Amino acid sequence: QVHLVQSGAEVKQPGASVTLSCRTSGYTFKSHALSWVRQAPGQGLEWVAWINPINTNTKYSERFQGRVTITIDTSASTAYLGLSSLKSEDTAVYYCARGRGGYCSGGSCYSDYWGQGTLVTVSS
Amino acid sequence: EIVLTQSPVTLALSPGEGATLSCRASESVTDDYLAWYQQKPGQPPRLLIYGASRRATGVPDRFSGSGSGTDFTLTISRLEPDDSAVFYCQHYDKSPVTFGQGTKLQIK
Repeated sequence: QVHLVQSGAEVKQPGASVTLSCRTSGYTFKSHALSWVRQAPGQGLEWVAWINPINTNTKYSERFQGRVTITIDTSASTAYLGLSSLKSEDTAVYYCARGRGGYCSGGSCYSDYWGQGTLVTVSS
Repeated sequence: EIVLTQSPVTLALSPGEGATLSCRASESVTDDYLAWYQQKPGQPPRLLIYGASRRATGVPDRFSGSGSGTDFTLTISRLEPDDSAVFYCQHYDKSPVTFGQGTKLQIK
């Protein structure tokens, strides 16, 4: 059974950095790309980043202007999302999700399994 | 990037009725790479439909997707109280993938 389990909630001050984790199980880690999607309170879904575990190729939303980094630990079947220079607008639930689809190896995926989400609150 | 516009924004229907949710893309979605998700409060999105019309594993056949190009539809028949949720469409034919703003379905 496929599971994506994310790290716990974070509270950070503006300007700080945060690293979120997403531990996967129930499938071969390298066989699927992983995406991160966020959802601000009461708002819709926004794609953040993508990684292909086979070659560690990454893609990022231009909206984050270099503040976001996605990495993996293949031995632990875990993906990480780092976000720096945090702003109040970064307050959101961040989801990791397993990627599928014909263009997924190039960064364009739909997601069939999702983590439970991690709430990141940025406040002074 | 492709802008997806969903309509209506909210929809209130009774159990047993049918629902029709629309998703319109600002440009043609290649290969009908369009997915639909259902999200209930406090939960992650759940995949319903991919490839515009293919039901995901475990999704009841009351949920069906159709459309191509720029116009897509999610149809839910025989509504049940548990269908109350926000529904999102997403294209995945090019990067960046984007989502519609959502349709909130209320079962009264």
